[in-house]
Amino acid sequence: SQTIHQWPATLVQPVGSPLSLECTVEGTSNPNLYWYRQAAGRGLQLLFYSVGIGQISSEVPQNLSASRPQDRQFILSSKKLLLSDSGFYLCAWAGTLYNEQFFGPGTRLTVL
Amino acid sequence: GEDVEQSLFLSVREGDSSVINCTYTDSSSTYLYWYKQEPGAGLQLLTYIFSNMDMKQDQRLTVLLNKKDKHLSLRIADTQTGDSAIYFCAETRGGSYIPTFGRGTSLIVHP
Repeated sequence: SQTIHQWPATLVQPVGSPLSLECTVEGTSNPNLYWYRQAAGRGLQLLFYSVGIGQISSEVPQNLSASRPQDRQFILSSKKLLLSDSGFYLCAWAGTLYNEQFFGPGTRLTVL
Repeated sequence: GEDVEQSLFLSVREGDSSVINCTYTDSSSTYLYWYKQEPGAGLQLLTYIFSNMDMKQDQRLTVLLNKKDKHLSLRIADTQTGDSAIYFCAETRGGSYIPTFGRGTSLIVHP
């Protein structure tokens, strides 16, 4: 069966520090992968998606970047965090039949 | 305006039925989904429905789709305290990789 992992689960970082969040998927090949941010208003904001290794599409201009170095690995990064980067970050992969999304457990990021 | 809209809160008594409503604007939506998010966790797919269907039932869950009015609803029968969560409606156009999510409805179940 397929599983999706995210780490770390929680992170507290100072403003201006770098960021690296990792997401890995098991049990499926060549999945479409997604990074979302969920802020206090609860809605999901799509940040990046990827349909293959090295293929990244950005939905929102910001100081974040994403990379997909391996088929089932998706990384979210920043060189310098802002206060506004605080939030709950969710990684997801999509099923191939109905494009249903399967979410990871999330990373709670607090920027101080 | 938003492509997918939901009311923000719903409060029900334990044992009653809950009905969570959603409206969407994209007439080319092909798949529609309901997700559940418990506190501090990721979203969990509850069910989905194709745009050419009117209804889908899965145990305590019933999804109704009115394509003419672009209205989707999720009915939870015999609501339990464990059903307290945020419920998200979402839609995807055929051939698109990008789903559109509503802002979520907080379901509060009280004794």
